[in-house]
Amino acid sequence: EAGVVQSPRYKIIEKKQPVAFWCNPISGHNTLYWYRQNLGQGPELLIRYENEEAVDDSQLPKDRFSAERLKGVDSTLKIQPAELGDSAVYLCASSKAGDTQYFGPGTRLTVL
Amino acid sequence: GNSVTQMEGPVTLSEEAFLTINCTYTATGYPSLFWYVQYPGEGLQLLLKATKADDKGSNKGFEATYRKETTSFHLEKGSVQVSDSAVYFCALISQGGTYKYIFGTGTRLKVLA
Repeated sequence: EAGVVQSPRYKIIEKKQPVAFWCNPISGHNTLYWYRQNLGQGPELLIRYENEEAVDDSQLPKDRFSAERLKGVDSTLKIQPAELGDSAVYLCASSKAGDTQYFGPGTRLTVL
Repeated sequence: GNSVTQMEGPVTLSEEAFLTINCTYTATGYPSLFWYVQYPGEGLQLLLKATKADDKGSNKGFEATYRKETTSFHLEKGSVQVSDSAVYFCALISQGGTYKYIFGTGTRLKVLA
């Protein structure tokens, strides 16, 4: 069974530029999560989807971050404009409702 | 609110040494507890889990016991290998419909040959 797929794996941009990350969850997993992991820290939840509905986006900085999960499968996380402090690893995870989460390899974002 | 506290790293051990990484938690109700491992340049992988008090999760020689009386979920391995070098995260998932993961800050383990 294929795991969670994320792309790109690495992204380097200049501040004020837009950037987007893509995630394809494990087949059959209706719950999808986006996390941000700063260096030396544990992951912090940005947004959680149940199917196509964002059920927890309380930690998403909505002034510059947006996410969508059209059709309840793939998801895209966007930052516009990016700031220096956004440099981090962005992790996508998926699960069946209430069950163990499985993580993708992450996208390492560097904002210069 | 819910929280997870892990021992600070790095933890440096010689090959075949005994490993303990401490994890304690604060939570309402009865959370499920997890250990994840993150190898360099990779995402988090589930190592083991326990869903109720006194459960023991085990995998690849690692084990941890859900201790409700001490609110702990310490990770242990009897004989570590160089390939175990990674960052280990303790996590809990709150119940009651939110299913929100709370992670510790991670503990880096270095195993020397």
